[in-house]
Amino acid sequence: SQQGEEDPQALSIQEGENATMNCSYKTSINNLQWYRQNSGRGLVHLILIRSNEREKHSGRLRVTLDTSKKSSSLLITASRAADTASYFCATLDTGRRALTFGSGTRLQVQP
Amino acid sequence: KAGVTQTPRYLIKTRGQQVTLSCSPISGHRSVSWYQQTPGQGLQFLFEYFSETQRNKGNFPGRFSGRQFSNSRSEMNVSTLELGDSALYLCASSLVADASYEQYFGPGTRLTVT
Repeated sequence: SQQGEEDPQALSIQEGENATMNCSYKTSINNLQWYRQNSGRGLVHLILIRSNEREKHSGRLRVTLDTSKKSSSLLITASRAADTASYFCATLDTGRRALTFGSGTRLQVQP
Repeated sequence: KAGVTQTPRYLIKTRGQQVTLSCSPISGHRSVSWYQQTPGQGLQFLFEYFSETQRNKGNFPGRFSGRQFSNSRSEMNVSTLELGDSALYLCASSLVADASYEQYFGPGTRLTVT
């Protein structure tokens, strides 16, 4: 079963615009991670935000976390065609001690 | 440092056959996890190995099994293949046996069952 749900499922923007993806989860977490997956390839870790952090930046990425709402958002600023990929949030399933991934947001950046 | 490697990258099998997939983690990483990715179910955790021991197992039938060798390389085996086993199988390695740490994923093995 999937703990996280991403919203929107798909997003299409023009190069240079910002892209915002949201993730909601169900249980208490220690941290939340965001990953990127280019079509049919492996996942690449983007950023990890701990439960006691509210915001974190990495290059053009900005992640926020609201533990009271059990939600996180990933903002990609000044998007590029190379950002075209699927983006997943992941949290730790404390029962199985394994990562549980959301359903993903497919981002298409038009050049 | 070389990344996580998975072999083979693509595989076509017939229903009822068995298959073995291989994963070599990043040098020094002792934890290897396996995930199945399908369009319908998304990314689902299969199992995790650390120091040759299975630490965790997902909700998959016993046809799915794995093992880890002393050099941390891992294999997963699927017996009596079903059409629904067609998927991208991803392995991920990490330094520690704690999934809350960053996972490094391989490119995956695309399995097609006909």
